[in-house]
Amino acid sequence: AQSVTQPDIHITVSEGASLELRCNYSYGATPYLFWYVQSPGQGLQLLLKYFSGDTLVQGIKGFEAEFKRSQSSFNLRKPSVHWSDAAEYFCAVAARLGNEKLTFGTGTRLTIIP
Amino acid sequence: DTGVSQDPRHKITKRGQNVTFRCDPISEHNRLYWYRQTLGQGPEFLTYFQNEAQLEKSRLLSDRFSAERPKGSFSTLEIQRTEQGDSAMYLCASSGTGRTGELFFGEGSRLTVL
Repeated sequence: AQSVTQPDIHITVSEGASLELRCNYSYGATPYLFWYVQSPGQGLQLLLKYFSGDTLVQGIKGFEAEFKRSQSSFNLRKPSVHWSDAAEYFCAVAARLGNEKLTFGTGTRLTIIP
Repeated sequence: DTGVSQDPRHKITKRGQNVTFRCDPISEHNRLYWYRQTLGQGPEFLTYFQNEAQLEKSRLLSDRFSAERPKGSFSTLEIQRTEQGDSAMYLCASSGTGRTGELFFGEGSRLTVL
């Protein structure tokens, strides 16, 4: 069975600074990987996904993520954060598509300070 | 608003009572999912419908839980004889027929069992 580890429970970043959120997955085959964001009072929203091909994927809101098979990682990055990026971020993995039975990590809460 | 809607947004009940949550997916989506999210955790898969057929159920879904999707439109999740351990956010999501991997989540229904 697949699993996801997000080692950072809470990260605080200054507005305008760069951001990297860590995600490690465990799955025997090539996984389908996702990053979702959950803002207060809102449903989870897909930021980006990786299925195959170019290991650097671009998403919405200026986010990108890099798939590194050798490290079993799929870290999320943003060059310059905005106050509106404060939210909970979840990494997720699926074994196959067409049945989006995702396994989520425990999430990383991002706080932005002025 | 044509997103996924859930009702009620918050339910407080006493232990032993029955509760029911409703989810209205995006109208053209034929797949519907229920997830549960407890404090400090990521969402956990509960069950999945394709049209009106319930195709998969997690072992987290004890026999006190039942989900239906009559006519392949809205879905209900009923919890009988609630326990304090059932306190959580119940998330509904939907997706279309493609293999995009993207889930569209509602804002969730928060259950508090006293």
